Amino acid sequence: DVKVTQSSRYLVKRTGEKVFLECVQDMDHENMFWYRQDPGLGLRLIYFSYDVKMKEKGDIPEGYSVSREKKERFSLILESASTNQTSMYLCASSPTRFVSPQHFGDGTRLSIL
Amino acid sequence: GNSVTQMEGPVTLSEEAFLTINCTYTATGYPSLFWYVQYPGEGLQLLLKATKADDKGSNKGFEATYRKETTSFHLEKGSVQVSDSAVYFCAQHQETSGSRLTFGEGTQLTVNP
Repeated sequence: DVKVTQSSRYLVKRTGEKVFLECVQDMDHENMFWYRQDPGLGLRLIYFSYDVKMKEKGDIPEGYSVSREKKERFSLILESASTNQTSMYLCASSPTRFVSPQHFGDGTRLSIL
Repeated sequence: GNSVTQMEGPVTLSEEAFLTINCTYTATGYPSLFWYVQYPGEGLQLLLKATKADDKGSNKGFEATYRKETTSFHLEKGSVQVSDSAVYFCAQHQETSGSRLTFGEGTQLTVNP
């Protein structure tokens, strides 16, 4: 079974801090994704990556950046955290560019105070 | 553009009741369609999928049929259990969008004993 592991289940940070959310997958998948999940809005794609050192903006990239230095790891960075970034963050991976489905981690619930 | 629309929730049923969660999509081609389930405190798990018209996906007593003529992929279960309480997401994937999935807003299901 594919395992997607997010480093923290719960995280509390302060406004203005630089925040790193880490995600690791163990199935040599090419694609990795970061979503945020908010009540009534479903899942919204922040950034995704097709390969090492490659990244593409999703639907809501503002205020975020990503890093993919190794194939198995995809990091989401909040450059200067703000309260409106309080949310559930979900990481996912999928085998190749044209193959779904995506496999999800358990999520990180991030609170920005 | 591509989109997915789910019936509004939340949905509350008694155990052994019949479940339908409606899902319709708009797409420029012929997408693959998915239902994901999110149990409390967890990430999303793939529940079932269908890749072409008239395909029926099924798993754990849930079913959904890909209806091209009505652009729908409604989720059904004949007899729900308390353990089915979760959030259900409909999603589509088109090869022209790479590996991106387009999700619906999610439908919260609560099953009471």
